[in-house]
Amino acid sequence: ETGVTQSPTHLIKTRGQQVTLRCSSQSGHNTVSWYQQALGQGPQFIFQYYREEENGRGNFPPRFSGLQFPNYSSELNVNALELDDSALYLCASSLGRGSETQYFGPGTRLLVL
Amino acid sequence: QQQVKQSPQSLIVQKGGISIINCAYENTAFDYFPWYQQFPGKGPALLIAIRPDVSEKKEGRFTISFNKSAKQFSLHIMDSQPGDSATYFCAASPVDNQGGKLIFGQGTELSVKP
Repeated sequence: ETGVTQSPTHLIKTRGQQVTLRCSSQSGHNTVSWYQQALGQGPQFIFQYYREEENGRGNFPPRFSGLQFPNYSSELNVNALELDDSALYLCASSLGRGSETQYFGPGTRLLVL
Repeated sequence: QQQVKQSPQSLIVQKGGISIINCAYENTAFDYFPWYQQFPGKGPALLIAIRPDVSEKKEGRFTISFNKSAKQFSLHIMDSQPGDSATYFCAASPVDNQGGKLIFGQGTELSVKP
């Protein structure tokens, strides 16, 4: 069984740029959730994708968007990067949109200069 | 109402001791309470979880105690080991969480001294 994988592991961008982060869900899982974890804080829910559609969204602006593909992998896109977007971005996969049991990947560390 | 408050922020325990981390919530619509363990440079890993219909759940050295009336729950790590040194997060999710949201506490950095 393959766990959740994310790429890239680290990324440096400048303010105003756009970034795309990628996630491959655990084998057999059809739901992907994205979280932002600022340094020293708990993860904050960005949104969830279930069967290629956005299923729920947290308190993040529209410049945070995502996609889920037929193989259930997912992308997180952030436009017009701001300094406060510097964080660890975590992807979690689960089986079914109502499943609370979420398995996290190692994250992508984004630094915005 | 959506918050989960976690304490302490940091904790130092001697090897073999008991580590206790506490969380409190206000939203009575929460009905699933997991604990995650996170090592530096890694994503959170699910440790143990509980629902409000039981007051305690034990898995190995890890126990969750749940007090529904007080809206509090805690993680106890018995016989703490240096390998348990990590950041621990409590979390909660609402009934029929079709939106997929887990709401996390702020985290507790545990250090177990040999």
